Amino acid sequence: DAGVTQSPTHLIKTRGQHVTLRCSPISGHKSVSWYQQVLGQGPQFIFQYYEKEERGRGNFPDRFSARQFPNYSSELNVNALLLGDSALYLCASSHRDRGNEQFFGPGTRLTVL
Amino acid sequence: AQSVTQLDSQVPVFEEAPVELRCNYSSSVSVYLFWYVQYPNQGLQLLLKYLSGSTLVKGINGFEAEFNKSQTSFHLRKPSVHISDTAEYFCAVSEMDSSYKLIFGSGTRLLVRP
Repeated sequence: DAGVTQSPTHLIKTRGQHVTLRCSPISGHKSVSWYQQVLGQGPQFIFQYYEKEERGRGNFPDRFSARQFPNYSSELNVNALLLGDSALYLCASSHRDRGNEQFFGPGTRLTVL
Repeated sequence: AQSVTQLDSQVPVFEEAPVELRCNYSSSVSVYLFWYVQYPNQGLQLLLKYLSGSTLVKGINGFEAEFNKSQTSFHLRKPSVHISDTAEYFCAVSEMDSSYKLIFGSGTRLLVRP
């Protein structure tokens, strides 16, 4: 079975621009979570979506938004990019909204210049 | 609030030696516990998890961890490491009543030398 897939692999943007990152969960998984991993740190939780509804949000500004589609794939959008948004963005899927381990994709490396 | 502490930022060890990576957590409610491994330029791979039951948990690649509730610890161990175990290891916790959110430690880099 295919694992979690993310696109693009790498992305370079300039300050003030907007970016959209995409994630496809493992087949049958209905929950998608997004994490930001700054170089040298552990991942930080941004959002979780389950059955197309937002179930949780981390301590991130409103510039960050996400949505989940009927096929359970997800998009993470970041507006007005800042240099500090440079990070590896990880998507994780799980079968349910709780009580299960999360399976991570390879990530999208975003560089903001 | 939840937090995870991985005291060792880097652990150097010789090949075939045993290793222990330490993890302590803070939470006011019951938790689930996880260890993930991250190889360079890759995502996270689950090594093992504690959800309930036996406090000694066995995972992939010969790793195991023991949940100690009184000491709020979940240390990761391997009796004999290989060069291929060189990677970043992350401990993570989620609360049972809101387990959609994983809280990660800052990571421990395991460096296995020949």
